[in-house]
Amino acid sequence: DVKVTQSSRYLVKRTGEKVFLECVQDMDHENMFWYRQDPGLGLRLIYFSYDVKMKEKGDIPEGYSVSREKKERFSLILESASTNQTSMYLCASSSLPWTGSSYNSPLHFGNGTRLTVT
Amino acid sequence: AQKVTQAQTEISVVEKEDVTLDCVYETRDTTYYLFWYKQPPSGELVFLIRRNSFDEQNEISGRYSWNFQKSTSSFNFTITASQVVDSAVYFCALKGNYGQNFVFGPGTRLSVLP
Repeated sequence: DVKVTQSSRYLVKRTGEKVFLECVQDMDHENMFWYRQDPGLGLRLIYFSYDVKMKEKGDIPEGYSVSREKKERFSLILESASTNQTSMYLCASSSLPWTGSSYNSPLHFGNGTRLTVT
Repeated sequence: AQKVTQAQTEISVVEKEDVTLDCVYETRDTTYYLFWYKQPPSGELVFLIRRNSFDEQNEISGRYSWNFQKSTSSFNFTITASQVVDSAVYFCALKGNYGQNFVFGPGTRLSVLP
């Protein structure tokens, strides 16, 4: 079974802090994703990566950056946390390489990190 | 633009009742993929089913069944004889033929009462 592990289940940070959310997958997946989940809004894509050191912006990248130095690890960085970034953050991975062509592999998710910024 | 609508925000049923979760999608792609995920209280989204746009056969898996109607752009999910363990938030998602973004609906919270 695919295992996607997020380093923290709950985090509380102060406004202005730099925050790192870590995600590791153990299935050698090429693609990794960071989503944000808010009530009534579903999941919204922040960033994704289709290879080491490669990244693409999703729908809501403002205030976030990412890092993928190794294939199994994808980090989400909040440069200066703000209260409107209080949310549930979900990491996901999938198996097919991004080639720009048809792609229907399901996403495999971690348990999520609930971040509160005070 | 792609969009997924789940009009039911919350549903409560009593155990053993049947329940249908609605999903309506919008896309201009001629080929696309539809998914259902379950998010139990533990938080992890669990993949339930994937459907390709060119395969309109309905599918049944145990107590779960899915009704894909391309004519109405709907992909509804029915749980037969619901159980307390079915209590979760259910998300419908759409992926187009190009790109890699999955568009998720807002989710439907299902509560199955004993």
